[in-house]
This record gives sequence, C-alpha cells and structure tokens, in this order.
Amino acid sequence: AQSVTQLDSQVPVFEEAPVELRCNYSSSVSVYLFWYVQYPNQGLQLLLKYLSGSTLVKGINGFEAEFNKSQTSFHLRKPSVHISDTAEYFCAVWNTGNQFYFGTGTSLTVIP
Amino acid sequence: GAGVSQSPRYKVAKRGQDVALRCDPISGHVSLFWYQQALGQGPEFLTYFQNEAQLDKSGLPSDRFFAERPEGSVSTLKIQRTQQEDSAVYLCASSGTSGRDRDTQYFGPGTRLTVL
Repeated sequence: AQSVTQLDSQVPVFEEAPVELRCNYSSSVSVYLFWYVQYPNQGLQLLLKYLSGSTLVKGINGFEAEFNKSQTSFHLRKPSVHISDTAEYFCAVWNTGNQFYFGTGTSLTVIP
Repeated sequence: GAGVSQSPRYKVAKRGQDVALRCDPISGHVSLFWYQQALGQGPEFLTYFQNEAQLDKSGLPSDRFFAERPEGSVSTLKIQRTQQEDSAVYLCASSGTSGRDRDTQYFGPGTRLTVL
C-alpha cells in the first residue's frame, strides 16, 4: 500500500524568501511522484513530476523538487516566493496502477 | 478539448435527493478518474475507467455511488439518496497514453456538492 505524508499542514513565509514543502512517501515498488497546486475554488494544476532520470525536476512557476530514493522523499522548493504562490500544495504518488495517492496538503501563505 | 471540464461547478442538494455530476475529459484521453476531496483533505480515489470499462471502483464509499462512461468519453458520477457526509468536492481527472499526457493526470475544476 502507498501512503504520502506532507509534514507541514501550514507554511507561512515572507515574500521573496525561499520555501521548502516536505513530502515523504512509502512504497514497496517504483513510483511516479507529482506535485500539484490548488488555488481557491479551482482544480489541481500540475507543477512538476518525476518519472525517471535526473532526480532534480524543474516545474512551472520557478518550482523544483528533488527525488531522494534512500529517504523516500520528494520535497518541493522555490528560491524566492511571490504573493501569487499562496495556495494549497499536494504531493502525490502513482505506482502506475489505477490510483493516485495524495497527501493531505500544505497550505502555503506568502506574507507581503 | 483544452482541458477537463466538469458540471455543474456547484450543487446544493437536500438530504435524500439524487445527484448527477458530469465530467468531460481531455479529447482522446482513454483513462478517467474520479476523486472525492473533503474539506481540508487531499483528494481520495473513487473509481477509474479505461475507455468505457470501469476497471476499479474500490474507492466508492457505498452502493449509493455509481459511475458510468458508456461511450468512453464523458463520464457521470451519480449519488443516490445523498447524505450530509457526501458533501465534498468531486474531482475528475483524465490521462492519455502518449507524449506528455502519459503517466500524468489532468484535473478538472471540480464540483462542490453541499448536502443540506
């Protein structure tokens, strides 16, 4: 069975500061890893994904994430956040079966 | 189409009413997924279609929930005799089989269901 843990439910950060949103997963098989962003009253938008290859993945809006197999982590980072980054962020795991497994989400609030 | 669309965006139902939620996937996507997202939670899997075949319905919470995709494109999630605990956002996602669409689920905006 898969599980996804997002360690921080809320992350406040000042504008232009760096941010890291943490994600750990458990799986006995190879998985694909994803980060989605959800703005208020909207669906989930794909930020980035790791399928294979380079463990450092770059996504949209200046976000990047690093896959660490030994630590079973896929933390999301951005060197300088903007007000517009305020949203809910979800980490997800897909073992190429039928189901995505989502974390409970991290609410990022960027403070002016 | 340009993206996954869902209708209605908002639905208010009285307890005991039946509701039907529609999903239009990205044109050509063979895989379609339904999720339920409770307030403050991540989405949870309900069911999965490949073309018109429902291959996994293990996430449906009760026999009041029913999904179909008769022609392998548009899908409908039906909830019979709605209960207050059914209040949630219902998300639909689709996935393709080639190129950038492969191995990635693209989500619609969701339908927010409120059961009074």
